[in-house]
Amino acid sequence: KQEVTQIPAALSVPEGENLVLNCSFTDSAIYNLQWFRQDPGKGLTSLLLIQSSQREQTSGRLNASLDKSSGRSTLYIAASQPGDSATYLCAVESYKLSFGAGTTVTVRA
Amino acid sequence: GAVVSQHPSRVICKSGTSVKIECRSLDFQATTMFWYRQFPKKSLMLMATSNEGSKATYEQGVEKDKFLINHASLTLSTLTVTSAHPEDSSFYICSAVAGEASSYEQYFGPGTRLTVT
Repeated sequence: KQEVTQIPAALSVPEGENLVLNCSFTDSAIYNLQWFRQDPGKGLTSLLLIQSSQREQTSGRLNASLDKSSGRSTLYIAASQPGDSATYLCAVESYKLSFGAGTTVTVRA
Repeated sequence: GAVVSQHPSRVICKSGTSVKIECRSLDFQATTMFWYRQFPKKSLMLMATSNEGSKATYEQGVEKDKFLINHASLTLSTLTVTSAHPEDSSFYICSAVAGEASSYEQYFGPGTRLTVT
């Protein structure tokens, strides 16, 4: 059974600081890994999808890395802004999509 | 492209009644749709996988007679919570894929907040 863990559960940083969010998974036999953003009471917004054959993906200030052999992914958000405040979810797809519990980020102005 | 809608976005119902949630793929045909449930501060839990024209596959521990799923067309799946109780209150999210579920990205709906009083 795939288990996905996200650490830390919550993070508060001043504006401008870089964010580092961690995700680990127990079964390395995955098709892909996705990072999502979820605002309170809202659905999911897909941020980045990394195929199992890839090492990283970048979009604007976001960069996600994937080390499949060690079962880890890291999401970097450069120069954080108050608008980045949200919960970030990591999900890995093996035979189904398994989610972590998320990291709730607060960026202080 | 790849927009998935859910209706309603919020619903309040009385204990013992049934409520239906719709999930639609607006600009693509979804061969497979998924239904998730999210508890506060918890991860999303897959409830069932729905393939067009066939019976849904439920995850272990999910009552198929309580959570009825119908995927009658390539753009619509419905989740009916029958005889709802307060413990069914939750955030329900659907997703849809256009191709093989194991290989293609899932597109998520905005979610439905169900409150059972």
